[in-house]
Amino acid sequence: DAGVIQSPRHEVTEMGQEVTLRCKPISGHNSLFWYRQTMMRGLELLIYFNNNVPIDDSGMPEDRFSAKMPNASFSTLKIQPSEPRDSAVYFCASSLRSSGGEQFFGPGTRLTVL
Amino acid sequence: KNEVEQSPQNLTAQEGEFITINCSYSVGISALHWLQQHPGGGIVSLFMLSSGKKKHGRLIATINIQEKHSSLHITASHPRDSAVYICAVPGGMNRDDKIIFGKGTRLHILP
Repeated sequence: DAGVIQSPRHEVTEMGQEVTLRCKPISGHNSLFWYRQTMMRGLELLIYFNNNVPIDDSGMPEDRFSAKMPNASFSTLKIQPSEPRDSAVYFCASSLRSSGGEQFFGPGTRLTVL
Repeated sequence: KNEVEQSPQNLTAQEGEFITINCSYSVGISALHWLQQHPGGGIVSLFMLSSGKKKHGRLIATINIQEKHSSLHITASHPRDSAVYICAVPGGMNRDDKIIFGKGTRLHILP
């Protein structure tokens, strides 16, 4: 298995632009997580899905952030409009189950908003 | 809400030394995770444990449920062990409680 796949690996954009991050979880995993990591706040859970359904999105910073999981093999995290304070590394992870299950992380997308 | 504390925050040691990283949490949990993040940024899950001890190569993780404490040990440390080690626990005992991360321990092994 190729593991969790994220794209793009790096994204540089200007303030106000829409940004879409993509994730393909490990086949057979039914939980998917989006995390953000910054120097100031460390790793934070933004949202997670169980069987393609969003379970907890309380970590999503504000309405500019949205996430979808249209099927078991694909998820997107969208920021519209982007702001410089959104600059961070965004990780996607998947697991066989949402609570207590070992999570497998993707390589991350490094986002820079100028 | 669960609170996670890791210690030390930073640790520098000589190659070959025995390393211990600690994690304490405030609310009972179903399982605790240890993660490793390399300087390149990739995150790897090392252990998931709910009781006792697990061993993988030179890495050993222990957990004491009563004391709400876990330790990660590295025997015969090597420069390639240099990384940030992160402890993560569920926010509570409910099945869907989201995971909470410690701030990490930055380990630097000198050759």
